[in-house]
Amino acid sequence: NAGVTQTPKFQVLKTGQSMTLQCAQDMNHEYMSWYRQDPGMGLRLIHYSVGAGITDQGEVPNGYNVSRSTTEDFPLRLLSAAPSQTSVYFCASPAGPRTDTQYFGPGTRLTVL
Amino acid sequence: DQQVKQNSPSLSVQEGRISILNCDYTNSMFDYFLWYKKYPAEGPTFLISISSIKDKNEDGRFTVFLNKSAKHLSLHIVPSQPGDSAVYFCAAGSRVTDKLIFGTGTRLQVFP
Repeated sequence: NAGVTQTPKFQVLKTGQSMTLQCAQDMNHEYMSWYRQDPGMGLRLIHYSVGAGITDQGEVPNGYNVSRSTTEDFPLRLLSAAPSQTSVYFCASPAGPRTDTQYFGPGTRLTVL
Repeated sequence: DQQVKQNSPSLSVQEGRISILNCDYTNSMFDYFLWYKKYPAEGPTFLISISSIKDKNEDGRFTVFLNKSAKHLSLHIVPSQPGDSAVYFCAAGSRVTDKLIFGTGTRLQVFP
């Protein structure tokens, strides 16, 4: 998927546990973003970054933290997982100079019990 | 408040016919629009886009139409093929905010 990789593919957590979803891109683009996909809700923007050291909130940022120390990596952290965070998470980044065409990673399916 | 809406959760079309997927938006500040296709267990893949200064963009079997006055866009697939069966998301963005907002998706099924 156009150079965006995500790990892990699947994860099961207990309520209150923490974890980090990894995202990396090899397209050397400044812009990266995280989405979650839920049935009937489409894709909702969690956080995004327009460059190293710069992050901002999307539509549903609560319960998630992000940081951007390098151009390549944009990890998403869940500090205290809740069942409402059960979802499929996608990382995205553009492949070209413009930000309007986002290319998505394969996704991480997270279940919080 | 849903800024991008896809009111049809599903659509079933016979192979060879036209598929028309619709999308409405509320924010007049959006200046580009995209369609993505998603197969199960995969990430969404970019299909076609249109700038707000255009009213039509065509790429092979796929055409996107934009009606700014109605805040409506549509994706036409002609002819439809079984491999087109997937969930289709429309998305809208603004170069000012750099945020891409997605609709809820329409599941297209193309049957023989």
